[in-house]
Amino acid sequence: DIQMTQSPSFLSASVGDRVTINCKASQNINRYLNWYQQKLGEAPKLLIYNANSLQTGIPSRFSGSGSGTDFTLTISSLQPEDVATYFCLQHNSWPYTFGAGTKLELK
Amino acid sequence: EVQLVESGGGLVQPGRSLKLSCAASGFTFSNYYMAWVRQAPKKGLEWVATISTSGSRTYYPDSVKGRFTISRDNAKSSLYLQMNSLKSEDTATYYCASGRTFDYWGQGVMVTVSS
Repeated sequence: DIQMTQSPSFLSASVGDRVTINCKASQNINRYLNWYQQKLGEAPKLLIYNANSLQTGIPSRFSGSGSGTDFTLTISSLQPEDVATYFCLQHNSWPYTFGAGTKLELK
Repeated sequence: EVQLVESGGGLVQPGRSLKLSCAASGFTFSNYYMAWVRQAPKKGLEWVATISTSGSRTYYPDSVKGRFTISRDNAKSSLYLQMNSLKSEDTATYYCASGRTFDYWGQGVMVTVSS
């Protein structure tokens, strides 16, 4: 199985900060990487698919990059409503696997 | 608007069975792969099962293979998860998700396996 190592596990940042979250795959997954946002008590929401494509309706301050084994989710200017846990998902091969999550809080 | 509404959760004893349902609306259900993803309390996400558009192909991780069965009824725009031989480690919120890579999610249904 492909292991997804996500970092950091916890992140504290201020409104307006540029925030980056990383995911590293244990083997090449090309660009088959999605990012999800999960707010407290809610279902996950797809933000980015195939490493760098913005899902419809998601603000442009969210972006994704990377290919192969190393991927990054960037929030260009953190907003209060971005407080959430963020997960990556590899869908290159079965079984699909998620990163452990990054909990983002406001400083 | 895509809507996915799960039902059928609850408290069940170890070794027993439970069947979850997911009612879909707002999109052409028969055109999309569908999946179940679960999240144990205060834990991360785990993919549980995926089914092709026609239902002819299904996929499972080893943790549930042979115990869980995913199915669908395209005429009813409904997705199902039959869970047999349940274990305490199956305790989780179960989400129904649309698309091969989980584009939209329902609100989830809680399953607790405990004696």
